[in-house]
Amino acid sequence: AQSVTQLGSHVSVSEGALVLLRCNYSSSVPPYLFWYVQYPNQGLQLLLKYTTGATLVKGINGFEAEFKKSETSFHLTKPSAHMSDAAEYFCAVSENNFNKFYFGSGTKLNVKP
Amino acid sequence: DVKVTQSSRYLVKRTGEKVFLECVQDMDHENMFWYRQDPGLGLRLIYFSYDVKMKEKGDIPEGYSVSREKKERFSLILESASTNQTSMYLCASFFPGSTGELFFGEGSRLTVL
Repeated sequence: AQSVTQLGSHVSVSEGALVLLRCNYSSSVPPYLFWYVQYPNQGLQLLLKYTTGATLVKGINGFEAEFKKSETSFHLTKPSAHMSDAAEYFCAVSENNFNKFYFGSGTKLNVKP
Repeated sequence: DVKVTQSSRYLVKRTGEKVFLECVQDMDHENMFWYRQDPGLGLRLIYFSYDVKMKEKGDIPEGYSVSREKKERFSLILESASTNQTSMYLCASFFPGSTGELFFGEGSRLTVL
């Protein structure tokens, strides 16, 4: 089975600072990779995804992530944090058939004024 | 707009009660999923369904069952609720021909006393 590791259950940054949320996965086949965001008392919504093609993927709200096969990583970044970015972020992996999605344990992002 | 609706946002039940969590999607998606979300554990797959009357166990099916009588509706059933089933339950749907985006409901927070 696949596994997804998110380093750091809580990350705190100042407004305007760089956001870096880490995700590593284990997969014996090329995976499909996703980042989802969850705002309080809501379901998850897709931030960005990597399926094929360019390894640097841009998503909504200024976020981007880079697929690095050699490092089995898919870290999420944003150059300048905004207060509205405070939420929980989940990395997820799926294999080709999309029958199963494997989620990391989540990282709560706190943005300080 | 895509919509996945979970009928109950908050439920409080007593140990031993039968609990139904309903999920309806309006996108004609074939695949539907039930996840359980707990702090520090991320999302864990309980059951999924890829067609009407079809179901597959996920990673933590014990204590749960599901029903999919119509394509748009996927129900999660707790035959005899226990306190360790207190959790947030998330329903999601997916279209296999797409590039992998899961669409989530807003969640059902269940408390078992």
